[in-house]
Amino acid sequence: DAKTTQPPSMDCAEGRAANLPCNHSTISGNEYVYWYRQIHSQGPQYIIHGLKNNETNEMASLIITEDRKSSTLILPHATLRDTAVYYCIVRGLTSGSRLTFGEGTQLTVNP
Amino acid sequence: NAGVMQNPRHLVRRRGQEARLRCSPMKGHSHVYWYRQLPEEGLKFMVYLQKENIIDESGMPKERFSAEFPKEGPSILRIQQVVRGDSAAYFCASSPREGANVLTFGAGSRLTVL
Repeated sequence: DAKTTQPPSMDCAEGRAANLPCNHSTISGNEYVYWYRQIHSQGPQYIIHGLKNNETNEMASLIITEDRKSSTLILPHATLRDTAVYYCIVRGLTSGSRLTFGEGTQLTVNP
Repeated sequence: NAGVMQNPRHLVRRRGQEARLRCSPMKGHSHVYWYRQLPEEGLKFMVYLQKENIIDESGMPKERFSAEFPKEGPSILRIQQVVRGDSAAYFCASSPREGANVLTFGAGSRLTVL
């Protein structure tokens, strides 16, 4: 699975959009981009995933660049409860179901 | 529709004792994954099991740790002769099939070794 690089921490004002970047420059054609988050001491929570098209669900939007070397997770209206560590994970079909978590980005939403 | 259930949520053991952590996957899920999170560290994959089979145990320590997922009942992560370094949060996740896009995680079991 391709390696991902995320900033260690970010801050966001409550009510504003939070844009979390992820670099995955060695991603291959059959690898998906997944985002999970872990709110303090809780189990990780799935947010969204995509292959090459932009995706949106009730939690967030995922924007993947045309060359697929990077992506951005967007929380459109961040709340205090969105404070968490956000993990960007790249996984290929040959990896089975296993997810490999990196260091992630600690997002702090401030009032 | 209950999610992934882990118990106990908190477990305290003395050095040398055994710890057993249980994980009941979501209804309809037959694949289970165990992850360990040491204090102030990231999530590390340990083992991936399907009913009655260990599919991938590449993250399991070579000694003292074992996992099973019997035909009936929950998946069990067993740690024999615990040491202080085993103190961690152990998370279980489940999915309905191999290659599923979404893994659903439980709330975790926190092991403290005195």
